[in-house]
Amino acid sequence: EDKVVQSPLSLVVHEGDTVTLNCSYEVTNFRSLLWYKQEKKAPTFLFMLTSSGIEKKSGRLSSILDKKELFSILNITATQTGDSAVYLCAVVNLSGTYKYIFGTGTRLKVLA
Amino acid sequence: NAGVMQNPRHLVRRRGQEARLRCSPMKGHSHVYWYRQLPEEGLKFMVYLQKENIIDESGMPKERFSAEFPKEGPSILRIQQVVRGDSAAYFCASSDGETDTQYFGPGTRLTVL
Repeated sequence: EDKVVQSPLSLVVHEGDTVTLNCSYEVTNFRSLLWYKQEKKAPTFLFMLTSSGIEKKSGRLSSILDKKELFSILNITATQTGDSAVYLCAVVNLSGTYKYIFGTGTRLKVLA
Repeated sequence: NAGVMQNPRHLVRRRGQEARLRCSPMKGHSHVYWYRQLPEEGLKFMVYLQKENIIDESGMPKERFSAEFPKEGPSILRIQQVVRGDSAAYFCASSDGETDTQYFGPGTRLTVL
């Protein structure tokens, strides 16, 4: 069965810390991996990764994919209280229809 | 360019009533996905639709739940004879079908009393 596992489930850090969030997956016919940030409402898109080893970067956030070891990491440097959210990882499975499989998320809390 | 719109944002129903949730995709998007999210859990895929077609409904319960995306108008997720276990946030997402990026609406929070 296809699955996406995120770790840790939750994380509490202080402002200025650097965090690394993990996403591992087992899917047939991998197509892409996406990261989303969810505060109290709709998930907002962060990154889409399709190729191994190519880092995607946006400000203090960066992400990379390892298709051999079947995982991705999301890094946040110099964390701020506004980074507090649930970070969701989703994998797109090419088998049949384009089905998105989401992990349960990592809940990040950044303390001032 | 308006994003994905969902209404209502909050819906309260008594057991046995019907719930009807609406989703208008982003302009130019013809692919719609519905997800359910329970508290402290991730998003669970329910159904994937294109205009007038259900592409994949493998995540949707076979009884009481139905979805449509007509040629004109929003996509609708319909839950008949709601039960307390249907209480959840229901998110709709849309894409253009060219890339894998989905854009989410604000969700409808359904509470069944």
